[in-house]
Amino acid sequence: DTAVSQTPKYLVTQMGNDKSIKCEQNLGHDTMYWYKQDSKKFLKIMFSYNNKELIINETVPNRFSPKSPDKAHLNLHINSLELGDSAVYFCASSPVPQTEETQYFGPGTRLLVL
Amino acid sequence: AQSVTQLDSQVPVFEEAPVELRCNYSSSVSVYLFWYVQYPNQGLQLLLKYLSGSTLVKGINGFEAEFNKSQTSFHLRKPSVHISDTAEYFCAVTKGGSYIPTFGRGTSLIVHP
Repeated sequence: DTAVSQTPKYLVTQMGNDKSIKCEQNLGHDTMYWYKQDSKKFLKIMFSYNNKELIINETVPNRFSPKSPDKAHLNLHINSLELGDSAVYFCASSPVPQTEETQYFGPGTRLLVL
Repeated sequence: AQSVTQLDSQVPVFEEAPVELRCNYSSSVSVYLFWYVQYPNQGLQLLLKYLSGSTLVKGINGFEAEFNKSQTSFHLRKPSVHISDTAEYFCAVTKGGSYIPTFGRGTSLIVHP
């Protein structure tokens, strides 16, 4: 009965590889997000989708490509991985894109690029 | 633009002692304020939020926070902490026109037996 789930939980890979992270929410929410948390725990928004449409793209390199096949899923594909991509990536969702809404976070994907 | 400052990066405290985690924000317009908790190796979950009304907000696990508009603060308090409260705590702000929260850098609460 997990609300927001992500796979994989851990990802260790070599520089230059391409990898994907999947996210699913069963809360019936319209809006989904990807966040990056760096080694100092700073949390930064990467993308936001509403009803499968991209509405926010926060100066993320175009090696990162989100895809939303339906409003319950938001996947993140990363091309040509770099050392600096090592971080924890969180998927989140909210009922609608409004300022008072709570964000519901997945457990995170810990990416380590060697 | 808005920013969120969490004044303490780490707060060590003994079990059953009271604790206050500080959060200040800067914004020229009305804001909504949130506290999230991140337990080790987990995602963030909402502790409480202030939208309007009473400035004292009660959340889960015995936490509460007080919105102080004149001091632009939203400090989180708990009268008696448990070992299980050991976690990272994030203050966040949203404002009209932008539903994406701006997060503070987090405060690591470490509860010692």
